[in-house]
Amino acid sequence: QKEVEQDPGPLSVPEGAIVSLNCTYSNSAFQYFMWYRQYSRKGPELLMYTYSSGNKEDGRFTAQVDKSSKYISLFIRDSQPSDSATYLCAMSASGGSNYKLTFGKGTLLTVNP
Amino acid sequence: DSGVTQTPKHLITATGQRVTLRCSPRSGDLSVYWYQQSLDQGLQFLIQYYNGEERAKGNILERFSAQQFPDLHSELNLSSLELGDSALYFCASSVGASDTQYFGPGTRLTVL
Repeated sequence: QKEVEQDPGPLSVPEGAIVSLNCTYSNSAFQYFMWYRQYSRKGPELLMYTYSSGNKEDGRFTAQVDKSSKYISLFIRDSQPSDSATYLCAMSASGGSNYKLTFGKGTLLTVNP
Repeated sequence: DSGVTQTPKHLITATGQRVTLRCSPRSGDLSVYWYQQSLDQGLQFLIQYYNGEERAKGNILERFSAQQFPDLHSELNLSSLELGDSALYFCASSVGASDTQYFGPGTRLTVL
């Protein structure tokens, strides 16, 4: 079983839709959870960062972490064509200055005008 | 723009050759991370350096090596290249005591 599982999609939605992206994980040591957005042929860009369980909201983006279920989500409200990209979940365990990230394979999202 | 720079952007080489990828972290960041991204494996952690010292190793092949210099820039050396080494190689940096890693634009390596 992979440490982090993410549905690769592709996911295609109309503009204005609410998008839900999810990852599950198996390593209970993971404490830090991130969502990165990657446009084609570009480097990943940090979108959201959360520690432990709970919700975090930033504009149209909401990240949720449920450690009891080992499940994290990213919601995008009022999706825009500019949101079309690959979304990668990432996570790491705590400790010192060693913060290697374990990534999901990414979900390809297309928002159609 | 994340502030992390990587050179070159593209690299085309032949099997058996050796290449060096370069990364300059964001100003003030002490940690540098290298990742490999391929279609089948996704984004995989290779190695981390913190203030010049190797701190963590991931799925890095013995043919690959890295170092971080006193000015904090880092180089990833790939030798005896194989077709399967063709991938995007990303460098990321962080302050050190933080999980917020900022990624560079990547180097696309093609091995023919």
